[in-house]
Amino acid sequence: EVQLLESGGGLVQPGGSLRLSCAASGFTFSSYAMNWVRQAPGKGLEWVSSIHGSSGITYYGDSVKGRITISRDNSKNTLYLEMNSLRADDTAVYYCAKATSDSSGWGLIDYWGQGTLVTVSS
Amino acid sequence: DIVMTQSPDSLAASLGERATITCKSSQSVLSSSNNKNHLAWYQQKPGQPPKLLIYWASTRESGVPDRFSGSGSGTDFTLTISSLQAEDVAVYYCQQYYSLPLTFGGGTKVEIK
Repeated sequence: EVQLLESGGGLVQPGGSLRLSCAASGFTFSSYAMNWVRQAPGKGLEWVSSIHGSSGITYYGDSVKGRITISRDNSKNTLYLEMNSLRADDTAVYYCAKATSDSSGWGLIDYWGQGTLVTVSS
Repeated sequence: DIVMTQSPDSLAASLGERATITCKSSQSVLSSSNNKNHLAWYQQKPGQPPKLLIYWASTRESGVPDRFSGSGSGTDFTLTISSLQAEDVAVYYCQQYYSLPLTFGGGTKVEIK
């Protein structure tokens, strides 16, 4: 059974930093691209970042580019999101999400974690 | 960026009625390399993460009831719930995975009348 367990969310002041983690199990972690998708309170879904499983190639949304770094440790089956210079509009539930492949159609997501809430406020 | 536009924003239908949600992309998501539409539908119930329902525009995910169906090609897509059940109350999102950035529609809230 695929499981994705996010951690690291919490309350942070504007300009602060946070590191999110996602522990994955139930599949061969290194064989799949992984994603972070966020959802502001009462709002829709926004793609944040993706990373390929084998190559480690990364992609970022424009709203977070330069402030966020996605990474993974395939030996630990763990996905990370390093967040810096946080702003109030970064407040959201951050979901770790597994892609269906690491190649063609890799942007398709088949499993989502329960999410971790990041609140940016003074 | 490919903009995904869903309609309606919300709908209410009676139990057993048909519910239809449309999704329009600002450019085609039909790939010439595999002749597939890179379009997915997700269901999100309150307090839960999204759940994959449909991918490649019309392929039902394993375990999804057959009252859910997807259709369309190019830029125009539809999610149909053939006979609305109480457990279908949720927000439904379309998503394109044809190109980066991955983008989602704004969501359609489905309720029981």
